[in-house]
Amino acid sequence: SQQGEEDPQALSIQEGENATMNCSYKTSINNLQWYRQNSGRGLVHLILIRSNEREKHSGRLRVTLDTSKKSSSLLITASRAADTASYFCAVSGGSNYQLIWGAGTKLIIKP
Amino acid sequence: EAGVVQSPRYKIIEKKQPVAFWCNPISGHNTLYWYLQNLGQGPELLIRYENEEAVDDSQLPKDRFSAERLKGVDSTLKIQPAELGDSAVYLCASSLSPSENIQYFGAGTRLSVL
Repeated sequence: SQQGEEDPQALSIQEGENATMNCSYKTSINNLQWYRQNSGRGLVHLILIRSNEREKHSGRLRVTLDTSKKSSSLLITASRAADTASYFCAVSGGSNYQLIWGAGTKLIIKP
Repeated sequence: EAGVVQSPRYKIIEKKQPVAFWCNPISGHNTLYWYLQNLGQGPELLIRYENEEAVDDSQLPKDRFSAERLKGVDSTLKIQPAELGDSAVYLCASSLSPSENIQYFGAGTRLSVL
């Protein structure tokens, strides 16, 4: 079963606007990761946040983690057409560090 | 540094035929993963290798799927015989180790079973 669940399933915004995607999960985690997948391509790692961290930044990306609510959010600021892709959260928990993936948020940036 | 290489990129076969996918992970990555991804869904783990040992294959349909990772480097995933429901994208990924689990993905193989 897929543990990470993204919300919304799809998001369409104008170029230059900010995009926020959310991820909820069910159990305790070691870390939570966000990946991007362009159409017809493999997944690319964006950012990893550990269970003892609350916020992380990477360029135009900002990730927050609330372990009490078992949720994370990914904020993309000043969106660009090239940000059009599907975004997945993956949670790592347990001794085997296996990643469990959500179904993704499809983001469309309109020019 | 070369990324994860998968081949072929596309494969079209008729049902009941065999098919094989190949993956070459990033050099030095001990952990290799095979995932299945259906349209509009996230990846689902089929099998995970630590070096040449399959340490998690609980989701691999063993009646028709098999995998190997000889010498702990390249890996092959096979389906025999293929069924219509096997149409999907098969992704290979690698990471340094289970705990250093940032995963690097290949471009995937899109399988169509007719």
